Amino acid sequence: DIQMTQSPSSLTASVGDRVTITCRASQTITNYLNWYQQKPGTAPKLLIFAASTLQSGVPSRFSGSGSGTDFTLTISSLQHEDFATYYCQQSYNTPYTFGQGTKLEIE
Amino acid sequence: QITLKESGPTLVKPTQTLTLTCTFSGFSLSSDGVGVGWIRQPPGKALEWLARIYWDDDKRYSPSLKSRLTITKDTSKNQVVLTMTNMAPVDTATYYCARWGFKLGYNWFDPWGQGILVTVSS
Repeated sequence: DIQMTQSPSSLTASVGDRVTITCRASQTITNYLNWYQQKPGTAPKLLIFAASTLQSGVPSRFSGSGSGTDFTLTISSLQHEDFATYYCQQSYNTPYTFGQGTKLEIE
Repeated sequence: QITLKESGPTLVKPTQTLTLTCTFSGFSLSSDGVGVGWIRQPPGKALEWLARIYWDDDKRYSPSLKSRLTITKDTSKNQVVLTMTNMAPVDTATYYCARWGFKLGYNWFDPWGQGILVTVSS
């Protein structure tokens, strides 16, 4: 199985901050990497697929980059509605593993 | 608009078999490239992929749970069913179904159903 490791596990930031979340795969997944946002009590929502392609309707302050084993999700200017937990997921092969999540909290 | 909704029991006893149904609308599971997957999330923990079925009936399972899982589809009813045998308290989780979308050779889960919390307890 491909292991997905996110860092940090939690992050405290303020509205307007720029934040970056990292996801590392245990082997190369080229750019078969998705990012999801999950707010408490709700289902995850797709933000980015293919490492850097923004899903339709997702604000442009979200961006993704990386290839191979190292990937990042960046939020350029945090808004109140961005405080949530973020997960990466590889779609390179089965099992389609997720990272352990990064909880983004307001300072 | 694509929607999915999970249904099934919210409480099962240890050793029982869990059967969950995902009823969807807005897409057809007979269209090329389309799939539906199941993912679960124990309370306060991370997401775990369980299974995925494709339009052509190709099925994949999590290796750690493969012996306990079965995924099937009923295209005429727009439903996907997941069964999990020999349930244990550690299987307590919110179970989600989601469309396995695709574009230009890439895949992802979107959208997701609202989820159903299944508790395993005697």
